[in-house]
Amino acid sequence: GAVVSQHPSRVICKSGTSVKIECRSLDFQATTMFWYRQFPKQSLMLMATSNEGSKATYEQGVEKDKFLINHASLTLSTLTVTSAHPEDSSFYICSARDPGGGGVGEAFFGQGTRLTVV
Amino acid sequence: KNEVEQSPQNLTAQEGEFITINCSYSVGISALHWLQQHPGGGIVSLFMLSSGKKKHGRLIATINIQEKHSSLHITASHPRDSAVYICAVGEGSGSRLTFGEGTQLTVNP
Repeated sequence: GAVVSQHPSRVICKSGTSVKIECRSLDFQATTMFWYRQFPKQSLMLMATSNEGSKATYEQGVEKDKFLINHASLTLSTLTVTSAHPEDSSFYICSARDPGGGGVGEAFFGQGTRLTVV
Repeated sequence: KNEVEQSPQNLTAQEGEFITINCSYSVGISALHWLQQHPGGGIVSLFMLSSGKKKHGRLIATINIQEKHSSLHITASHPRDSAVYICAVGEGSGSRLTFGEGTQLTVNP
């Protein structure tokens, strides 16, 4: 089946630095990818929709200057957490829907990135 | 009221038991997804349904479009089935998904 690869799986960074998370669709082209944040014991919260070749669409309350999204190709989207603070510590996960297989769009998820800001 | 509601929130079972997790939704959809999230965080897509029933190994998923309800069944449950099971719905092949709160399943040996 289709695979979405997310890297890194874990990162610890110092407060004030930036962290880039990559999300790749390995065997299908994803014009749209989704970035989620998940707090412990809670469901996934959509942060933004990443659109290949255009600006990302951010959900209400998500700072676009804080969470920079770049979707430069049909197989790669990146999320950069800028000037990270301890409250940005969380689990971030990306997803893409495979338009193949009849166009119904099965959802595939990356492995997630556990970000800890110290 | 959430657009996607799951029940139960938590479920503990003994190994070998038959398990059912329910999902009700209130929006129009093109497909419903059942996802499994293990303690490490990774999410696996189990099923995508737009009608009827699908089976994969010990897992069975059903959906009733008219009643806007889906169930995920696990037969002969095993401790390795312990995970969070998430119901999600979406419109169109590239659209965002709306997630339920998840069901934490624990299967004891």
